Amino acid sequence: SQELEQSPQSLIVQEGKNLTINCTSSKTLYGLYWYKQKYGEGLIFLMMLQKGGEEKSHEKITAKLDEKKQQSSLHITASQPSHAGIYLCGADRGDDKIIFGKGTRLHILP
Amino acid sequence: DAGVIQSPRHEVTEMGQEVTLRCKPISGHNSLFWYRQTMMRGLELLIYFNNNVPIDDSGMPEDRFSAKMPNASFSTLKIQPSEPRDSAVYFCASRAGVLNTGELFFGEGSRLTVL
Repeated sequence: SQELEQSPQSLIVQEGKNLTINCTSSKTLYGLYWYKQKYGEGLIFLMMLQKGGEEKSHEKITAKLDEKKQQSSLHITASQPSHAGIYLCGADRGDDKIIFGKGTRLHILP
Repeated sequence: DAGVIQSPRHEVTEMGQEVTLRCKPISGHNSLFWYRQTMMRGLELLIYFNNNVPIDDSGMPEDRFSAKMPNASFSTLKIQPSEPRDSAVYFCASRAGVLNTGELFFGEGSRLTVL
């Protein structure tokens, strides 16, 4: 959706390196979701952020929601081949309608 | 719980044929979403239901697409007639509660190929 922009569209990093994926909304968000999708498979829930300034972590993945609740970043520390896939951010703008960005394709080089 | 169940997982059909995709949400969930995923357009929201009632169908591409939810445990997405540009992966998802209250659970998707 053009209302939710993800960057970069694709990313290639060396195994062990850190990386960041961004998600920006043109409107204030009431909820922000991060999902991971293996190529050709379904979506795996990573985390959901709701409060301005909130930060959550799951293993080596950390996501933050800015104070204005319009931008989120997902950071992976010491990337591994298992992190490869498509990362999607989804937004609930308070109307229970959840839209997604186009995704970021992450490739990890051994 | 078995999660969100979609069928068929794969469907290959010829242009002009009717296609019906099925979804069984997680028991107790009262919001259901249908999405379509393509390389070009990403994951697009087609329609969503709250308590079996269609709330927003503005994402449905055209009149060839229709969706129903006759009860809390079953929904269908129908394409009639199908066209090659409908080829995509169609996902169903469900969520408990309304107003941003939790995780959106996705099915494995139905991969549709229209020849």
